[in-house]
Amino acid sequence: NAGVTQTPKFQVLKTGQSMTLQCAQDMNHNSMYWYRQDPGMGLRLIYYSASEGTTDKGEVPNGYNVSRLNKREFSLRLESAAPSQTSVYFCASSEASPGLAGSSSYNEQFFGPGTRLTVL
Amino acid sequence: AQTVTQSQPEMSVQEAETVTLSCTYDTSESNYYLFWYKQPPSRQMILVIRQEAYKQQNATENRFSVNFQKAAKSFSLKISDSQLGDTAMYFCAFMGGLRGGSEKLVFGKGTKLTVNP
Repeated sequence: NAGVTQTPKFQVLKTGQSMTLQCAQDMNHNSMYWYRQDPGMGLRLIYYSASEGTTDKGEVPNGYNVSRLNKREFSLRLESAAPSQTSVYFCASSEASPGLAGSSSYNEQFFGPGTRLTVL
Repeated sequence: AQTVTQSQPEMSVQEAETVTLSCTYDTSESNYYLFWYKQPPSRQMILVIRQEAYKQQNATENRFSVNFQKAAKSFSLKISDSQLGDTAMYFCAFMGGLRGGSEKLVFGKGTKLTVNP
């Protein structure tokens, strides 16, 4: 049981290049998330997927696209990387679908180890 | 929109002593959760403790406890008997929108804690 895995762990890109960050979870979770962490800024939500086949924007979605490939995998794509996208990227997953009417239960988010991305 | 504020960018404490990290938040919701996450140099995000807003009793997990003041929107973390392994970034986080919303976490900017031998 690996939990949440991310590839690659490190990546250096040149401005304008594209790449896809991969995330997979083996906990059969419905919901998955992408965050970025910048120095002095904490973690900020980029996109999330409540369930297979759905995706929604978070706080900082500009410059990114996501794909929920299946229940296990949620990828983050940078079409044309910019230096402002230099950051550490975290993927997370949780048990239940958000947005359930009347739901008041908490579902812990489990985080992957992160990908350190540098855009030159 | 919810906001989470951690006013202490850095703190230090001697091994075996007690330290308190501060967190305040702003929300109009009545039902929500609050969390403290630890991020050691390995970068892994580790859940330390959580508090449900409708519970008046403060959460406790071994050496970690919180002081939750709902009216003041304050959620501080106390670490007792500090250990060298407690050296890490600590993030306060808020999760709301639990009725028909989405379970998104909003993080503070973090407090870097150093435990000195």
